[in-house]
Formats: sequence, C-alpha cells, structure tokens
Amino acid sequence: EAQVTQNPRYLITVTGKKLTVTCSQNMNHEYMSWYRQDPGLGLRQIYYSMNVEVTDKGDVPEGYKVSRKEKRNFPLILESPSPNQTSLYFCASSMGGFNEQFFGPGTRLTVL
Amino acid sequence: GQSLEQPSEVTAVEGAIVQINCTYQTSGFYGLSWYQQHDGGAPTFLSYNALDGLEETGRFSSFLSRSDSYGYLLLQELQMKDSASYFCAVRGNYGQNFVFGPGTRLSVLP
Repeated sequence: EAQVTQNPRYLITVTGKKLTVTCSQNMNHEYMSWYRQDPGLGLRQIYYSMNVEVTDKGDVPEGYKVSRKEKRNFPLILESPSPNQTSLYFCASSMGGFNEQFFGPGTRLTVL
Repeated sequence: GQSLEQPSEVTAVEGAIVQINCTYQTSGFYGLSWYQQHDGGAPTFLSYNALDGLEETGRFSSFLSRSDSYGYLLLQELQMKDSASYFCAVRGNYGQNFVFGPGTRLSVLP
C-alpha cells in the first residue's frame, strides 16, 4: 500500500530534550516536506527536500533541522524543543513538479 | 512573500451547493491546489489548477483566474461527509515551496 508513515504519532516531552520525528514514504517520491499545523494558521511549511541531500527552508524553519540521506526517509529533528513548538506535525511527499502531496497521519507533539 | 485568504467558516445544508473562495498573493505562481481535512485526519488532495478555468472532478470543481489571483472550490450535492476543513495552497517562488491558506471549515447541516 502506497503510504507516508510517521513515528511517533504522539509525543510529550520537556523543554530542551532533543527529539526526532521520523517520516518514510514508499512511493519513490522525490519531494518531501514537513508542516506544522496550528489552529487558525493552516499548514505552515517547515522544511522541504527536492531529492537526496537537497533540503531547503520553508516559512517556519527556526528551531528545526532535517536531513535527507535516503530517498524514502526525511526525519525532523528538534535539538532543543521549546513550548512554542507544541503543534501537530505532518510529513508529506509528492512526485517532483506535481502538486498532489500525500500526507502522513500526523504527529502530535507537546513540549512542557 | 506569499499569502492566501479564505473565509474561516461556511455552513450549508445537505444537497446544496457551496463555493469556497481563495485569494492569493505570490511572487511566481505554479498553480493552485485544494486539500480536504476531516477532524483528526490528514489533508488529502482534491484538485489542482495551473491554468485559468474550471476543473471538474465528480461533485467537486475548482476554478482559477490568474489575472485576479483568485480561485474557488465548488462542492455540489453536499453530503454530511463533506463536513471538513478545506485548504487552498499555492506553489510559488521557483515552484519548490508550498504555502497553504488558513483553511475554511465547512459544516453541512441535515
């Protein structure tokens, strides 16, 4: 089954404790992206990747890191999480140049 | 920069037709997309317009006017399951990044 998977689905952590949210897709998509969703603000792009070893900042990259060492994986790293990073995070993928993005199920992160 | 505007809420009854508008500002334009998101779920792709005009997919249609920086999603024969949030999105600035609108919450009443 074609899908985007994220782990964990739910995470409660404390300020400053490094964490990684994994994202994997099995559709051989070139383009992968991370979004955060907050009430009233829609989806805001954090980082995106056009292909392996090619990443770039979206609209809200501060406090986040990403890497793209393999085509299928695009982890999101929060090296020192803060409470303002409490949010719902979505990973998405698409064929390069196409607008149909496939979203993962989301990761709800709470930073205390 | 890029920005999009949508109404925050729309309410309609089953069987009716509803139009959700989206206006955008972007430097560089590579198309307008629409996504649906049910409560607790992930966004799912509905439609995409790169050129002016109407695109129809079943009960859903999407329209784009590039000269007006405006588009809309038209939902016909509304069903209760259409109650969801709808987001427009543009791909701008060299076609690499995506920007989503704030979303329109559609409530379909019996």
